[in-house]
Amino acid sequence: NAGVTQTPKFQVLKTGQSMTLQCAQDMNHNSMYWYRQDPGMGLRLIYYSASEGTTDKGEVPNGYNVSRLNKREFSLRLESAAPSQTSVYFCASSEAGVNGYTFGSGTRLTVV
Amino acid sequence: RKEVEQDPGPFNVPEGATVAFNCTYSNSASQSFFWYRQDCRKEPKLLMSVYSSGNEDGRFTAQLNRASQYISLLIRDSKLSDSATYLCVVLSGGSYIPTFGRGTSLIVHP
Repeated sequence: NAGVTQTPKFQVLKTGQSMTLQCAQDMNHNSMYWYRQDPGMGLRLIYYSASEGTTDKGEVPNGYNVSRLNKREFSLRLESAAPSQTSVYFCASSEAGVNGYTFGSGTRLTVV
Repeated sequence: RKEVEQDPGPFNVPEGATVAFNCTYSNSASQSFFWYRQDCRKEPKLLMSVYSSGNEDGRFTAQLNRASQYISLLIRDSKLSDSATYLCVVLSGGSYIPTFGRGTSLIVHP
């Protein structure tokens, strides 16, 4: 009964380094999302995937790319990390919002 | 006007108190509504869906007022463990993208 699994839980990067955040869900949900959460800013949508094979930009996509690898997995890539990308990243999944959204436990990323 | 607005609080209440939060939304086409709870440094977790007829789960009651475009969450007999941030979530019909409020902070003290 894992739900949504995110890896890694913590990461420190140097400016300019790249990394991929992994997300997998086992609930057979069609829709998956990547959010970042900063103090006082609430949850901001980076990218989403309404269904396998589709991805779309959210509110703050600059500096990120995503891949919907299959129905279970949705990864987020930072090609050249910047200090402004220091944040907590959450992956979420849903079945068209019918029963709400299930979140992973988050990745705390610091870019120095 | 922001799409979804919440009073950030904090609401500071004693144990046993009743507290209520409201969340206003701007899109009249909104169709699905939820309350989430987020503990410090944790992920948001679904507390309850909000139905047109209102719904209750133990000490928690959620209501929807479509005419005035707001949802509410009532917590009775507050416990220390209720201390958290409560997020409202609104989904418009035909959209895949939920809109999250920034949350209302609740602190329950002894």
